[in-house]
Amino acid sequence: EIVLTQSPGTLSLSPGERATLSCRASQSVSSSYLTWFQQNPGQAPRLLIYGASSRATGIPDRFSGSGSGTDFTLTISRLEPEDFAVYYCQQYGSSPWTFGQGTKVEIK
Amino acid sequence: QVQLQESGPGLVKPSQTLSLTCTVSGGSISSDSYYWSWIRQPAGKGLEWIGRIYTSGSTNYNPSLKSRVTISVDTSKNQFSLKLSSVTAADTAVYYCARNFYFDYWGQGTLVTVSS
Repeated sequence: EIVLTQSPGTLSLSPGERATLSCRASQSVSSSYLTWFQQNPGQAPRLLIYGASSRATGIPDRFSGSGSGTDFTLTISRLEPEDFAVYYCQQYGSSPWTFGQGTKVEIK
Repeated sequence: QVQLQESGPGLVKPSQTLSLTCTVSGGSISSDSYYWSWIRQPAGKGLEWIGRIYTSGSTNYNPSLKSRVTISVDTSKNQFSLKLSSVTAADTAVYYCARNFYFDYWGQGTLVTVSS
């Protein structure tokens, strides 16, 4: 099973700042089959990025994904108030599909 | 617009079987070639993938739950279902259904509590 480790656990930033979230895999994620989700309290996760770097439909271009192999990054170029949430990475390259433990982006 | 909706009992007794259904609207579960998954999230914790079913009916389960999980599909009702047997308090969670291998569409989630 591929274990995904996200860092940091919590990111304290101000609106307008840049956020950089990391997701490291215990082994290579085949074909960059990695996604990023955003989750707000009481809501289902929302797909942001799939295939490591492809933005899902309707996702603003301030969200970008990069990386390959075992190291992946989600970048939010300028934080908007609605971006303060928990973010999860997930791999679907090998079964069982697994999630990272999440990074909380909070208002500083 | 594809929509998914979970349904089922919100309270299950320990040792019994948890049964949930996901109804898909805005698309055909049989004609579209997608994976359909169940995912759960205990309160305040992260996400755990439970298993998936393909439109052909083939399944794949998380080894951590494999001995207790069954996922099936009813194409006539445009639904797929989850059964989790021998539940304990550790199975208390919000259960989600989702489409595709990168979970592009999710249900709103349903809370299932295991308690006597």
